[in-house]
Amino acid sequence: GAGVSQTPSNKVTEKGKYVELRCDPISGHTALYWYRQSLGQGPEFLIYFQGTGAADDSGLPNDRFFAVRPEGSVSTLKIQRTERGDSAVYLCASSLDADTQYFGPGTRLTVL
Amino acid sequence: GEDVEQSLFLSVREGDSSVINCTYTDSSSTYLYWYKQEPGAGLQLLTYIFSNMDMKQDQRLTVLLNKKDKHLSLRIADTQTGDSAIYFCAERQGGKLIFGQGTELSVKP
Repeated sequence: GAGVSQTPSNKVTEKGKYVELRCDPISGHTALYWYRQSLGQGPEFLIYFQGTGAADDSGLPNDRFFAVRPEGSVSTLKIQRTERGDSAVYLCASSLDADTQYFGPGTRLTVL
Repeated sequence: GEDVEQSLFLSVREGDSSVINCTYTDSSSTYLYWYKQEPGAGLQLLTYIFSNMDMKQDQRLTVLLNKKDKHLSLRIADTQTGDSAIYFCAERQGGKLIFGQGTELSVKP
């Protein structure tokens, strides 16, 4: 079956701009997770949803970052006033039973 | 702290066994995971172990867990060139995963 998909695969933006990153989870998966992976590092947790609500947003670095999942399926990660330090690969994962998270291919964000 | 630690590099010859080690910090972690990441690709779940187990075997992969020392290892038998990748261990804390920095495995023919 289809895995987790993320769009766009690459996004280049200028400092100060607003970006949206989209994640389509595996069909039927109730939990959805966002992570950020900087070059040479492991993924770092940002936020996770159980259904429509954010169950844990403790990893969001500041209030420029926001995520929504209005219908309990697709999620959008929104970053306002982007900074060069936001450049990274943003990974999305989904899970049916909370024991196993399946990752998408990621969106590579470059802030110039 | 939340640090999960791994050695950064491992080089082996094709056909040998590879052992990748990891230490984690949270003794209450319920599940521990191994993921594989190939260049430019996302994370592929390889295997995971529940914290009340000592060992789990899945084809060429063997996971060993020493809960007392908070030490996790992944053994890959008969390592192939296609196993070359970065391997991440992760511990589950609540709903989120805490990842190590990754071990780059290089397999030489």
